[in-house]
Amino acid sequence: EVNLVESGGGLVKPGGSLRLSCAASGFTFSSYSLAWVRQAPGKGLEWVSSISSSSSYIYYADSVKGRFTISRDNAKNSLYLQMNSLRAEDTAVYYCARVSYDKIGYRDWGQGTLVTVSS
Amino acid sequence: QSVLTQPPSASGTPGQRVSISCSGSSSNIGSNYVYWYQKLPGTAPKLLIYRNNQRPSGVSDRFSGSKSGTSASLAISGLRSEDEADYYCAAWDDSLSGGVFGGGTKLTVL
Repeated sequence: EVNLVESGGGLVKPGGSLRLSCAASGFTFSSYSLAWVRQAPGKGLEWVSSISSSSSYIYYADSVKGRFTISRDNAKNSLYLQMNSLRAEDTAVYYCARVSYDKIGYRDWGQGTLVTVSS
Repeated sequence: QSVLTQPPSASGTPGQRVSISCSGSSSNIGSNYVYWYQKLPGTAPKLLIYRNNQRPSGVSDRFSGSKSGTSASLAISGLRSEDEADYYCAAWDDSLSGGVFGGGTKLTVL
């Protein structure tokens, strides 16, 4: 069974940094692309970033480009999202997801971790 | 303002068939597959439709998808109370080199 577990969320001040992690199990981690998707309170889903299986291809939403960095450690079956220069509008539940189809077909998701950016 | 446009709300009575539209452009829906997700409060999104009209195993055949040009739609037949949720379309956008979601449609079962 595919299992994705996010961690690292919490309360951070504007301008601060946070690193999210996603621990994966139940599949061959190094064979799959992964992504981060977020949902701000009361808002819709927003695609954030994705990374290919060998980290050769990395993509970011314009809203986070230059501030967030996605990475993975295939030896540790883990996905990361380093978030710098955080803004109030980054407040959201962040989900990690496994790419099952093409680049945006996500069949498996984590439970999400809440990031709150507030002074 | 979302790149993909969905109606903010839709409704139907039990047993009815409802459709939710998703409008995009040549750089996303016009040149890539469309995906549909169901989102319930406090839970992770669930993939309902992939590659325009394919259902993952385990998804009810009451859900169907279609695409024409730069628009797509999700149809739900035999509406049930448990279908009350938010529904999102998604596609890859070649101009943005990134994924895009619609703004979401809140489905109410009356």
